[in-house]
Amino acid sequence: DGGITQSPKYLFRKEGQNVTLSCEQNLNHDAMYWYRQDPGQGLRLIYYSQIVNDFQKGDIAEGYSVSREKKESFPLTVTSAQKNPTAFYLCASRDRERLTQYFGPGTRLLVL
Amino acid sequence: DAKTTQPPSMDCAEGRAANLPCNHSTISGNEYVYWYRQIHSQGPQYIIHGLKNNETNEMASLIITEDRKSSTLILPHATLRDTAVYYCIGGSNYKLTFGKGTLLTVNP
Repeated sequence: DGGITQSPKYLFRKEGQNVTLSCEQNLNHDAMYWYRQDPGQGLRLIYYSQIVNDFQKGDIAEGYSVSREKKESFPLTVTSAQKNPTAFYLCASRDRERLTQYFGPGTRLLVL
Repeated sequence: DAKTTQPPSMDCAEGRAANLPCNHSTISGNEYVYWYRQIHSQGPQYIIHGLKNNETNEMASLIITEDRKSSTLILPHATLRDTAVYYCIGGSNYKLTFGKGTLLTVNP
């Protein structure tokens, strides 16, 4: 069953704590993306990676970090420097042939 | 990326065609028009995209005006499960910029 998986579905963070959101894809896509969505808003790009061991900042990268050690995986760390981390986080990968991005089910992060 | 303008909300009767408009007057010649939809608390779902020509797939049809300044997404026979926020995006496939979209409510 091919697709994009994100875990966990819900994540709780304490003040001052770093948390890592998982994103895995078995679609053999080169490019992967992280977006953030706040209530009633569209998606905003945090980071993207077009190839293994390379990634670029998106529009709202401050307070976040990523790694891309494997083609299948693109984890996002929400650091303590992100002052307003409560949001819905979405991972996507790009099909270069079909010129489209496909999204995972999302992780909802809540701050305790 | 091209700036897009969509109505904030629309209603449609179940079984009827839903026509969702989008203005993208600043779109450049090599930018595609993408449509995605998002059902509450789920990841966006790709619907269709096009460059110049009209496109049709199993989900919808996309009509792009000749000057490429606007487009219409057509769901031919809307069902209750089509209730979602629909996003029109003008841009390259490697970077998508999502606006607030149109909330389509399909009524029984």
